[in-house]
Amino acid sequence: EADIYQTPRYLVIGTGKKITLECSQTMGHDKMYWYQQDPGMELHLIHYSYGVNSTEKGDLSSESTVSRIRTEHFPLTLESARPSHTSQYLCASRRREGSYNEQFFGPGTRLTVL
Amino acid sequence: AQKVTQAQTEISVVEKEDVTLDCVYETRDTTYYLFWYKQPPSGELVFLIRRNSFDEQNEISGRYSWNFQKSTSSFNFTITASQVVDSAVYFCALRDYNTDKLIFGTGTRLQVFP
Repeated sequence: EADIYQTPRYLVIGTGKKITLECSQTMGHDKMYWYQQDPGMELHLIHYSYGVNSTEKGDLSSESTVSRIRTEHFPLTLESARPSHTSQYLCASRRREGSYNEQFFGPGTRLTVL
Repeated sequence: AQKVTQAQTEISVVEKEDVTLDCVYETRDTTYYLFWYKQPPSGELVFLIRRNSFDEQNEISGRYSWNFQKSTSSFNFTITASQVVDSAVYFCALRDYNTDKLIFGTGTRLQVFP
């Protein structure tokens, strides 16, 4: 059973607001990831981190930013939300050791920007 | 380039029917890892199985079975005697050995009707 949490689960917000999506895991995993999932189901990697103070941009360009100050915490921030940011955001983590290890996913945050 | 193709966008079956979800991948790596995830309506991705490129053994877990064939670059997933609870979106994914990124297919939505 994966111990990875995301809050809020659902968020409806107006254009121009600043928002932070929270992601925490209690498994001590070094590697963490953010994915954006569009209504057509496809998943796109937008950010990842290999450990504290490490952050990298993913394959899909995103206006969001991330930080990794603590191993267990990997928040994603949008400085000024727009309707084009409406999507589901999924956080994941996995152990550093062992290439074989799978990523565990959180329950997701469904964001709607009006 | 790395790529995962799930040609079946949506499949509908009646309970107790067997169903196979196709996954075809492309990679130039000799070492790679394949995964299947299930995404129920609640939104989280649930890990189902992993397989590395050196292990072509097929696997069975209850009503689920997986057929990995390197010769055809396929990693197909079969559900035997499907149940309504199997209704979900299923994703096949390939991990790039060098970059550690997960490359997802576009998913197959399975609907099982009573």
